[in-house]
Amino acid sequence: AQTVTQSQPEMSVQEAETVTLSCTYDTSENNYYLFWYKQPPSRQMILVIRQEAYKQQNATENRFSVNFQKAAKSFSLKISDSQLGDTAMYFCAFMKGRGSGTYKYIFGTGTRLKVLA
Amino acid sequence: GAVVSQHPSWVICKSGTSVKIECRSLDFQATTMFWYRQFPKQSLMLMATSNEGSKATYEQGVEKDKFLINHASLTLSTLTVTSAHPEDSSFYICSARPTLRGTVYEQYFGPGTRLTVT
Repeated sequence: AQTVTQSQPEMSVQEAETVTLSCTYDTSENNYYLFWYKQPPSRQMILVIRQEAYKQQNATENRFSVNFQKAAKSFSLKISDSQLGDTAMYFCAFMKGRGSGTYKYIFGTGTRLKVLA
Repeated sequence: GAVVSQHPSWVICKSGTSVKIECRSLDFQATTMFWYRQFPKQSLMLMATSNEGSKATYEQGVEKDKFLINHASLTLSTLTVTSAHPEDSSFYICSARPTLRGTVYEQYFGPGTRLTVT
């Protein structure tokens, strides 16, 4: 079975600074996808960034980037130039790849990020 | 863009009654929808996978007779919490996987439904 672990329950960062959220996972699959989702106080899940396991290049979306270490099964999220609107719960998630027949998410326990003014 | 709605957004019901939560894909068809449960300050836990025209697949530990799922059309899945009790109070979130999609992982979340059982 797959597991996703986020070891930082809470973090804080000063506005405009950079913060890194950690995520590790365990799987025997070779084909899978990894995601970071943001859940603001409204509780709407918002996709931040996605990484396909077969891609060696780390994904980047504007101020958000990941450090994907497949051998170490690590998938951290770096937020640059933090903004007050980044304050939210962040979930790391795993999904099996094509051919698995199931495309359900397995979520980590989450990291609550607070951006300080 | 792809939009998923849930209705109601918040419901309060008395212990012992049943409550139905709807999940709709507004601008796309979804053969598969997923139902999650989220307790305060906790993660999302998958309850079941809902497939249009067939029985839902429940995750281990989820009571299928208590959480009835019906996916009667390509745009609507419903979750009925039967004989609700205070411990069923939670935030319920659905997600929908487009039937026609550009990628295998494409999926969209609804805004969630807060259930309070008194």
